[in-house]
Amino acid sequence: EAAVTQSPRNKVTVTGGNVTLSCRQTNSHNYMYWYRQDTGHGLRLIHYSYGAGNLQIGDVPDGYKATRTTQEDFFLLLELASPSQTSLYFCASSGGGAGAEQFFGPGTRLTVL
Amino acid sequence: GDSVTQTEGLVTLTKGLPVMLNCTYQTTYSPFLFWYVQHLNEAPKLLLKSSTDNKRTEHQGFYATLHKSSSSFHLQKSSVQLSDSALYFCALSAMSNYNVLYFGSGTKLTVEP
Repeated sequence: EAAVTQSPRNKVTVTGGNVTLSCRQTNSHNYMYWYRQDTGHGLRLIHYSYGAGNLQIGDVPDGYKATRTTQEDFFLLLELASPSQTSLYFCASSGGGAGAEQFFGPGTRLTVL
Repeated sequence: GDSVTQTEGLVTLTKGLPVMLNCTYQTTYSPFLFWYVQHLNEAPKLLLKSSTDNKRTEHQGFYATLHKSSSSFHLQKSSVQLSDSALYFCALSAMSNYNVLYFGSGTKLTVEP
C-alpha cells in the first residue's frame, strides 16, 4: 500500500512565526498535494505539484508557500504564521489521471497562538 | 466552477438501520466521483469511486450510484455498524483536471448501540 509520512505530527508556534511542514511519499507518485482540514469546510487544497520543481496553486493558497524538492519530498512553508492558519494539515500523493486514488499521510496538527 | 455539496453535517443512527448520505456535484465536464472515509484521528481513505452513469459501485458494504441526470452520488448502506462511525467526504474530479479533487464539507456519521 501507498506510504505517505508527515512531520512533525504536532506543532505549536506563535503569530509571526516561521513553520515548515514536511511530507515524504515512497510510492513513486508524480502528484503530491497539501490540504487543510477545518470543521465545516472539509478538505481544502492549498498547493499541489506534479514533479520536482513544479508547483501548482490550489484553492486556498494565501499565506502558504510550497516546494517540491524531489519526487518524494513536498514541503509547506508558513513564513508569517497567523492564528487563522491553525488547522489540521494533510499531505497526499497520487499517480495522477482519471479516477486516481489519493493516498493521505497521517496529518500535522498546527496551532498558531 | 466545480463543487460538491453535502447537505448533512451530522447524522446519528442506531446500529442496524440503513443510512444514506447525500452528495450532489456541479461541473460542466465529465465527472469522476469518490467517497472517502476518515475515522477518528486517522487519515482519509478511499471508500469507493465511479465515473459510470447509473451503475452501482460497492465496497465494504457501502454502495453508491452515479446519476448524471441529477448530478448525485449518494452513499448508502443497508445496516450500519458501530465501526461505521466516521467522517465521510464526497469528492469530485472532472475532465478539466482529473488530478485535482474537490471535496464536500463532510458528513459525520455516529452509530449508537
